Amino acid sequence: DAGVTQSPTHLIKTRGQQVTLRCSPKSGHDTVSWYQQALGQGPQFIFQYYEEEERQRGNFPDRFSGHQFPNYSSELNVNALLLGDSALYLCASSLVGLEQYFGPGTRLTVT
Amino acid sequence: QQPVQSPQAVILREGEDAVINCSSSKALYSVHWYRQKHGEAPVFLMILLKGGEQKGHDKISASFNEKKQQSSLYLTASQLSYSGTYFCGTEPGNTDKLIFGTGTRLQVFP
Repeated sequence: DAGVTQSPTHLIKTRGQQVTLRCSPKSGHDTVSWYQQALGQGPQFIFQYYEEEERQRGNFPDRFSGHQFPNYSSELNVNALLLGDSALYLCASSLVGLEQYFGPGTRLTVT
Repeated sequence: QQPVQSPQAVILREGEDAVINCSSSKALYSVHWYRQKHGEAPVFLMILLKGGEQKGHDKISASFNEKKQQSSLYLTASQLSYSGTYFCGTEPGNTDKLIFGTGTRLQVFP
């Protein structure tokens, strides 16, 4: 049974560019949450998708947007990248209200 | 709003016990515990729902005091594999939105 998968593993972008990160949830899961983890910090909640709708949102600007597809996979888009967006981006999948399982993450470096 | 964990760091010898605490200023619906090793994703350990229940598997257990908005993680007879950073994720209200704590770095030496 495949767990949560994310792509790409690493990404280097230039300030001002746009980036798309992808996540495939664990089999049977219908909810995807995205987190940003800066070095030495705990994950920070960006948003959550369920039934192709954004269900919850954390304190992140509109530059961060997402999408969930009918097969429950999800994308995270970040526009107008800033140096401060450099972080590990984690995707977690779950059934609504239950424990969340994290993927390996995408390491984004903005130069 | 971010829960506070204590201690910030723990150093143990194999076989020793440890307790990690997580305290929130908000009323909590649930507490989730994760362990993260360097360069890896957080790994789910357990979830506790309000009601003061205690859970455990193997030598790791946890408690949740809803009235005090606190949770504690108990590591018994620690093993080298327990090394990593432990995070509590709190859910204020039944929102399914986790707010992670400051983290506790645990190192187990032979």
